Amino acid sequence: ETGVTQTPRHLVMGMTNKKSLKCEQHLGHNAMYWYKQSAKKPLELMFVYSLEERVENNSVPSRFSPECPNSSHLFLHLHTLQPEDSALYLCASSRSGGGSYNEQFFGPGTRLTVL
Amino acid sequence: SQQGEEDPQALSIQEGENATMNCSYKTSINNLQWYRQNSGRGLVHLILIRSNEREKHSGRLRVTLDTSKKSSSLLITASRAADTASYFCATAGGSYIPTFGRGTSLIVHP
Repeated sequence: ETGVTQTPRHLVMGMTNKKSLKCEQHLGHNAMYWYKQSAKKPLELMFVYSLEERVENNSVPSRFSPECPNSSHLFLHLHTLQPEDSALYLCASSRSGGGSYNEQFFGPGTRLTVL
Repeated sequence: SQQGEEDPQALSIQEGENATMNCSYKTSINNLQWYRQNSGRGLVHLILIRSNEREKHSGRLRVTLDTSKKSSSLLITASRAADTASYFCATAGGSYIPTFGRGTSLIVHP
């Protein structure tokens, strides 16, 4: 148990559906991250929020829309996805800033399958 | 890119043996971290080593960093079947946002 929870753990959706992934951290961190993990590829950083402001957006298609309403919650809204978007989506949190504070704590992930 | 690349991609050893994984990167970093991931789960942080440090230990783990060669190694001593997992290095530069490699898949046979 890392203190970061993700729901749902598994999600199957059609290309025309709209769904949302949720992440919650109970660690008092002020930075949250979304990653995409596909087979045989490096972990891809999608979005970073620090103090509830988006600080990084790595050329992610607009069909992925993040939302960070407060420092404990992070959402990833999904719409009109493609089959190649099927992957494990990981949420992480950390303290923002440098030094020894950027150790990341990961949630268990949401396994997404797009049909 | 400062993204680290782990080597080897896959490693298979017997319980009790040592496992060594390497990570190489291309640009200067502020720190380098190693993470572990059990199949289909989230990553777990193992060790963070700063650019001005050369070696760190945590239990059976030993991490070295050679900034002149832009490389790091993770040594797991006296491996156990429970060490079977994927291991990732993550490098962080000025933004301190870690960038991950593809990982090394370690299998420890009982």
